[in-house]
Amino acid sequence: GAVVSQHPSWVICKSGTSVKIECRSLDFQATTMFWYRQFPKQSLMLMATSNEGSKATYEQGVEKDKFLINHASLTLSTLTVTSAHPEDSSFYICSAGTASQETQYFGPGTRLLVL
Amino acid sequence: GDSVTQMEGPVTLSEEAFLTINCTYTATGYPSLFWYVQYPGEGLQLLLKATKADDKGSNKGFEATYRKETTSFHLEKGSVQVSDSAVYFCALSHLQGAQKLVFGQGTRLTINP
Repeated sequence: GAVVSQHPSWVICKSGTSVKIECRSLDFQATTMFWYRQFPKQSLMLMATSNEGSKATYEQGVEKDKFLINHASLTLSTLTVTSAHPEDSSFYICSAGTASQETQYFGPGTRLLVL
Repeated sequence: GDSVTQMEGPVTLSEEAFLTINCTYTATGYPSLFWYVQYPGEGLQLLLKATKADDKGSNKGFEATYRKETTSFHLEKGSVQVSDSAVYFCALSHLQGAQKLVFGQGTRLTINP
């Protein structure tokens, strides 16, 4: 099946710094990538949808200036958490899909801890 | 807006027991319905799906039937194994292509030997 990777798998940073998370589709070209956030023992909350070559569409309540998303190619999307604070600590998950297929393929997630 | 509601967990069963995880949804039109599974330390994996009313999705012994009249998509398995221990998410999406998913809150399942 299709494989989606995320890097890093976990990161610890100081409050006020920025963190970049990469999401790659390894064996297919992803026209659309999604970024989710998962709190402990809770469901995935969609943060934004990004299409290759265009600006991301953010869900209501998600600060676009804080969570910068770039989808520069059909195999790579990045999420940058700017000026991170402890409340941004969470599990961030990306998924990738194509316009012709309904199935999304999920990355293994990145655990962020902001001290 | 669209929403998905799952039975609250955690659910703990003995090996070979019968499993049902309830899922109901609220949506306009005719969404596609999915069950995803998240094993410990891993990313979500698609378990099964159904794209229209009365369709039955099945995989690895799990089944779920798209019930339009009750807006439900309950997950069932006749005999669970320890390896089925995971978190299960019900989800829906509209239209075709890589459309965004709306997830339920997840149900943690633990199977004891």
